[in-house]
This record gives sequence, C-alpha cells and structure tokens, in this order.
Amino acid sequence: QVHLVQSGPEVKKPGASVKVSCKASGYTFRTFGINWVRQAPGQGLEWMGWISAYNGNTNYAQKVQGRVTVTTDTSTSTAYMELRSLTSDDTAVYYCARGDWGTEIDFWGQGTLVTVSS
Amino acid sequence: SSELTQDPAVSVALGQTVRITCQGDSLRSYYASWYQQKPGQAPVLVIYGNNNRPSGIPDRFSGSRSGDTASLTITGAQAEDEADFYCYSRDMSGTHCVFGTGTKVTVL
Repeated sequence: QVHLVQSGPEVKKPGASVKVSCKASGYTFRTFGINWVRQAPGQGLEWMGWISAYNGNTNYAQKVQGRVTVTTDTSTSTAYMELRSLTSDDTAVYYCARGDWGTEIDFWGQGTLVTVSS
Repeated sequence: SSELTQDPAVSVALGQTVRITCQGDSLRSYYASWYQQKPGQAPVLVIYGNNNRPSGIPDRFSGSRSGDTASLTITGAQAEDEADFYCYSRDMSGTHCVFGTGTKVTVL
C-alpha cells in the first residue's frame, strides 16, 4: 500500500522560509518521481514542481522558480520542498504526490498547511 | 492563468449523466488526467491517459479526448460524486505541468 506522509502544519512570518517533508512507503522510492502541488484557501490546484527520485532531475513552475527547491533523500525515502521569501500569497495547503514526469499523479500525501502571517 | 480551461460549475440530477470539459491546445499533444477532490481531502485520480480508469474507480467515470478538449463523463451520477474536478496535463511548451481551472459538480 503506497503512503505519502507529510510533515505537520507551519506558521511563518513574511520573508521566512519553510521546508515540508514527505516520507514515502509501500513502493520502491527511486522508481517514481514526486510532484509538489499547492492549493490556496478556496482556490484551485497549482503545480509547483517535480523531482526524479532516480537521478534528482528537477522541473519547477515559472511562478515559483528561483524561490523553491525540491530534493530527495533516497536513504530515507523522503522528499523535501523548501520555499523561500514567503509572502501571504504563499499561504496554502502543500501536497506531495507521486508521478512520473508529465504523466498522471497516482498517490497524494495528506497535505501540509503553511500559513504566512505577520 | 491556467492554460487548461474548465467550466466553473455544473449540476446534474441524481442518476443522470454529466460531462465536464477541459480545453487547451496542449491536449492535442499530451495526455490528460482527471482528479476528484472533496472538501478537506486530497485529490484522487479518477482518469489517466485520457481514458483509462485506475483500479477502484467506479465504471460510471469515463474519459475521452477530441482535438484540444478532454472530457470526463459521469454516467448515473451519485450523491457521493459531488466534488471539485480538475484536469491535468503539460503546458504548450511541454516543459511544465498545469492543472485546469477546476469544475464544481453539484448533484441535485
């Protein structure tokens, strides 16, 4: 059974950084990539980026390029998403989700609420 | 703004059929997948590769594509199908991924 378990909620001040973790289980971690998707309150889904757990290749959405870094630790089957220079517009639920590059996303984490507030 | 456009909301009578569309030029070249999201929950994959259903998804969900438009059809809608639905594919350049704008389905 595939599971993606994310770290807990975060409250950050504007200008700070946040790092969300996503621990995978139930499959061979290196055989699939991990997407990061966010959803602002009352809004739709927004794709942020993707990383290959096999070779570390990444691809980021233009909107967050330069502020986001996605990494993996294959020894612990964990993916990480770090977002810097936070503003109130970054307040959202952040999801990690399994998928090969440019194809369907078949399993999702439970989501992590990141609140940016002064 | 998203390169994949969906109608904001549709309604369907219980047991009837509803079709949700997703329009974008990139759909001529790349597969679409569809996700159902209920309030407070993570999305769930319901269709991949334009018209394939994952195991465990009821067969009342089906997908298709014609030209630049992908469609998700619910045949015999149930009360539990009430949710937001999103399409997903690559953008026109093929170098990034994008979600559709989302459609809220109400079952009357």
